[in-house]
Amino acid sequence: KNQVEQSPQSLIILEGKNCTLQCNYTVSPFSNLRWYKQDTGRGPVSLTIMTFSENTKSNGRYTATLDADTKQSSLHITASQLSDSASYICVVSANNAGNMLTFGGGTRLMVKP
Amino acid sequence: DVKVTQSSRYLVKRTGEKVFLECVQDMDHENMFWYRQDPGLGLRLIYFSYDVKMKEKGDIPEGYSVSREKKERFSLILESASTNQTSMYLCASRMRLAGYNEQFFGPGTRLTVL
Repeated sequence: KNQVEQSPQSLIILEGKNCTLQCNYTVSPFSNLRWYKQDTGRGPVSLTIMTFSENTKSNGRYTATLDADTKQSSLHITASQLSDSASYICVVSANNAGNMLTFGGGTRLMVKP
Repeated sequence: DVKVTQSSRYLVKRTGEKVFLECVQDMDHENMFWYRQDPGLGLRLIYFSYDVKMKEKGDIPEGYSVSREKKERFSLILESASTNQTSMYLCASRMRLAGYNEQFFGPGTRLTVL
């Protein structure tokens, strides 16, 4: 069964600090992995997408890594801001008919001043 | 910019009522999806549609039905709402059946069934 596990479930950090969110998956065959940011009461918005051959991708202060061998990804947030407070969802797409998505449970990040 | 809109942000219904959730996208996307999101469970796929008049069951279709009469509109129907259908409902659309194409999400409808 395809699964995506994220850790930690929740995290509180001070403004300006860095943090790293983890994602482990067992989706097969693998197509790509996206990190989404979901603000409270809003729909998720894509931050990055990574395919099998990519091992790092940045989007401003967000840097995602992918290790396809160990089936792990991380999202590193640098110099956090209050606006980074949100849920971050790891989503893996299978390379099969329908290209269906498997969603992680998300990490809820709170950045405090 | 892709825009996915949902008819209501908040909805309160009573047990047994028929509930319609509407979703409209403005980018001529072929694929549309309905998810529900519950704490600790993540997003779970209820139904999806590859194109007009087409629909496929997702992981948790029980208690729900859908309608796609026009390309831009995908409706989720709760035939007889129950309290365990209290949840956040998210609609999404995607350009075509291809893994790299991003799913764009609407703002969500928070449904409470009393």
